[in-house]
Amino acid sequence: EPEVTQTPSHQVTQMGQEVILRCVPISNHLYFYWYRQILGQKVEFLVSFYNNEISEKSEIFDDQFSVERPDGSNFTLKIRSTKLEDSAMYFCAVGWGDDSPLHFGNGTRLTVT
Amino acid sequence: GQQVMQIPQYQHVQEGEDFTTYCNSSTTLSNIQWYKQRPGGHPVFLIQLVKSGEVKKQKRLTFQFGEAKKNSSLHITATQTTDVGTYFCAGPMEYGNKLVFGAGTILRVKS
Repeated sequence: EPEVTQTPSHQVTQMGQEVILRCVPISNHLYFYWYRQILGQKVEFLVSFYNNEISEKSEIFDDQFSVERPDGSNFTLKIRSTKLEDSAMYFCAVGWGDDSPLHFGNGTRLTVT
Repeated sequence: GQQVMQIPQYQHVQEGEDFTTYCNSSTTLSNIQWYKQRPGGHPVFLIQLVKSGEVKKQKRLTFQFGEAKKNSSLHITATQTTDVGTYFCAGPMEYGNKLVFGAGTILRVKS
């Protein structure tokens, strides 16, 4: 049974539209992450979230991006105004501690047209 | 900034041949982790190495962490078609809690 469930599995949106990607951890993990992977490329860190706040973010994670955990279970990534270059697979990941292994969800494939 | 480099980028082997991927960090790592991503799938954690010079085995897979804790390798003995996928090494940033992934090595196995 996966430790993380992501929805939707595929999202198609028009440039300039807002999208919200959702992640539901199964267990009570402490650390939450978003990574993205442009087709055929490396897995890139976007943001980490601990104790209900962002603990670290990359240069990719600009003002267009935001994360929240509104109800203590769902962990969401919002892209306010999508660009073509935001097209990628977005993975949610969870961990138990600072150096602990990550458990990835199945990902959401975002296609911006 | 801190970088994690991985070679080769791509390897195509005949079933039964061995395979090795190498990972190098620009800085000393507290630990290194290896992940496998099947085509169309998500990264799946394989193993974590913590100690200098550590060697761990999982069936046909052998993982090694260098003495200086700056490099690592994954060796697969007698590859099978089920081994296909991309193998990523990942190490934590020197400061903070983010895991930095190498570019990955794509393994294709011809039967």
